Amino acid sequence: ELKVEQNPLFLSMQEGKNYTIYCNYSTTSDRLYWYRQDPGKSLESLFVLLSNGAVKQEGRLMASLDTKARLSTLHITAAVHDLSATYFCAVDQGETSGSRLTFGEGTQLTVNP
Amino acid sequence: DTAVSQTPKYLVTQMGNDKSIKCEQNLGHDTMYWYKQDSKKFLKIMFSYNNKELIINETVPNRFSPKSPDKAHLNLHINSLELGDSAVYFCASSRLRLEQYFGPGTRLTVT
Repeated sequence: ELKVEQNPLFLSMQEGKNYTIYCNYSTTSDRLYWYRQDPGKSLESLFVLLSNGAVKQEGRLMASLDTKARLSTLHITAAVHDLSATYFCAVDQGETSGSRLTFGEGTQLTVNP
Repeated sequence: DTAVSQTPKYLVTQMGNDKSIKCEQNLGHDTMYWYKQDSKKFLKIMFSYNNKELIINETVPNRFSPKSPDKAHLNLHINSLELGDSAVYFCASSRLRLEQYFGPGTRLTVT
C-alpha cells in the first residue's frame, strides 16, 4: 500500500525567509502533484511533476521530483503572507490503479509579517 | 465559467436520512472522482469513473453509491447517514492520468 508522508505538518515562518516542504512516498511512481488549499476552499493545482528530475517554478514556489529517492520538495523563496495555506502532495499510483491519487497529510503553512 | 461544480455547497441533515450530492464538469474530461476530506484535512479517494465506468471503488461503506449518468456528471448518494459521515466531499475531474481539477466541495454535517 502506498504511503505518502509530508514534513513538516505545520510550518510557521517569517516573511522573507526560505523553507522547504518534503514529500516522501513508499512505492514507485512517475507522477506527483502539488496542490494548495486555502481555509474553507477547494484544492488548487500548483505543479505537475511527470518524470525524474522534473523541476517546475511558479513565482516564489519551486517543486522538484526525484523518483529514485521517492522524494519531492516544494521550496518557498522569500515567503510572503499570501502563501499562507495548506499544501498537499499527491502521488499517482499508476494506470493499473485507475490513476488514483494518494495524498500526503498536508503542510499547514503560516507566514507571519 | 465554473469548471467543476457541486451542489449543494452545504448539507446539514439528521442521522438516518438519505442525501445526494451532485457534480458536473464542463472541461470535457473523461474521468471523475469523489474524495472525502475529514476534520483533520486528510483527503482520501472514494470512487472514480472513466467514461461512465467505475474504475476505483475504495473500501467505503455500501451506504455510499456513486452514479454517473454521463461523462460530465457524477453523483454521490448516501443512505442512512451516520455521524462519522460528516466531512467535506470533493468532486474532481481529469483526463485519465492527468491533472485533476477539484470542485468547490460539499460540507456535510450529520447531527
